[in-house]
Amino acid sequence: DAGVTQSPTHLIKTRGQQVTLRCSPKSGHDTVSWYQQALGQGPQFIFQYYEEEERQRGNFPDRFSGHQFPNYSSELNVNALLLGDSALYLCASSLLMRGEQFFGPGTRLTVL
Amino acid sequence: GENVEQHPSTLSVQEGDSAVIKCTYSDSASNYFPWYKQELGKRPQLIIDIRSNVGEKKDQRIAVTLNKTAKHFSLHITETQPEDSAVYFCAATSGNNNDMRFGAGTRLTVKP
Repeated sequence: DAGVTQSPTHLIKTRGQQVTLRCSPKSGHDTVSWYQQALGQGPQFIFQYYEEEERQRGNFPDRFSGHQFPNYSSELNVNALLLGDSALYLCASSLLMRGEQFFGPGTRLTVL
Repeated sequence: GENVEQHPSTLSVQEGDSAVIKCTYSDSASNYFPWYKQELGKRPQLIIDIRSNVGEKKDQRIAVTLNKTAKHFSLHITETQPEDSAVYFCAATSGNNNDMRFGAGTRLTVKP
């Protein structure tokens, strides 16, 4: 039973570029949440997807967008990258209305 | 929105001693409270959780208590071992599970 997977593991971009991160949820899960974790801080909620729609969004600008596919996998897109976007991006999968969220290994994004 | 505060930010104990980490939350609608352990360079791992209809839950050396009236919950680790050294995060979310808010984390060091 595969757990949550994310790709790529690491990514280096320059300011102004765009990036796409990918997440495959744990088998049987239908909901994907994305988080940004800056160094030394707790994860910050970006948004959550269920049935291919964004259910809720945290306090992040429109430069952050996402998508969920029919197989429940998800993408996080960030446009016009800023230095401050450098962080570990985590996705977590769950069953809708169930609390338990399981995290993927994360994608380390560095913006130069 | 929900605001979760976590204390202390760092905690150092001797092997075999107990460790206690405390969190408070602001949203009375929150009803699910997980704890995550994150080792350096790894994903957050769910170690224990509690729902608002329960006051205490225990799993071997780990226990969590919840005081709904005071809006605080705590993680208790007994007989600590060096492998318990990590950053621990508390979190809170409502039954809709669509916006999980994390505390800032506690760096626990267990000295052999």
